[in-house]
Amino acid sequence: KAGVTQTPRYLIKTRGQQVTLSCSPISGHRSVSWYQQTPGQGLQFLFEYFSETQRNKGNFPGRFSGRQFSNSRSEMNVSTLELGDSALYLCASRAPGQGNNSPLHFGNGTRLTVT
Amino acid sequence: GIQVEQSPPDLILQEGANSTLRCNFSDSVNNLQWFHQNPWGQLINLFYIPSGTKQNGRLSATTVATERYSLLYISSSQTTDSGVYFCAVERTGGYQKVTFGTGTKLQVIP
Repeated sequence: KAGVTQTPRYLIKTRGQQVTLSCSPISGHRSVSWYQQTPGQGLQFLFEYFSETQRNKGNFPGRFSGRQFSNSRSEMNVSTLELGDSALYLCASRAPGQGNNSPLHFGNGTRLTVT
Repeated sequence: GIQVEQSPPDLILQEGANSTLRCNFSDSVNNLQWFHQNPWGQLINLFYIPSGTKQNGRLSATTVATERYSLLYISSSQTTDSGVYFCAVERTGGYQKVTFGTGTKLQVIP
């Protein structure tokens, strides 16, 4: 079974631009969640999607948004990029289960640099 | 929200040594995972362990949910064990946000 696939691996953008990151979950996984990792703030939860619905959201400004498609693939978008948005963005998927009682599986991440 | 603290923050080991990493959390959880982040940023699943004890080769983990902590044991460490170890938890009750600990940075020297 293929793992979680994130594209692109690296991205360089300029302040004020917008960016879209993509995540394809493991086949059969319907939950996709996104995380931001920075040296200062560590790993922080952005949002989680299940069956095309946002199920949970972290404490990030509205410039951060996401969506999930009917095939469970997910995208996250960051608009009006700021220097502080430079980070490793990680996506995870998990198998359906009761509540969230199954392990997260992470992709390799997208490293975003904002100049 | 739930607080997750890991200790020690940094650890340097001689190859072959054993170590114990700790994860304390401030509220009841129904999910706990340990991850190893390699130098390329990839988070690798080590254990999914909301309670009890599991072993996988040189690694083992124990979670005592009632006392709100989990331990990761690394025996006979190797240089490839270097990296950052994270625990991640989800509070009990419906669909909760995942909260990561601050991590333990491990360096194993030959």
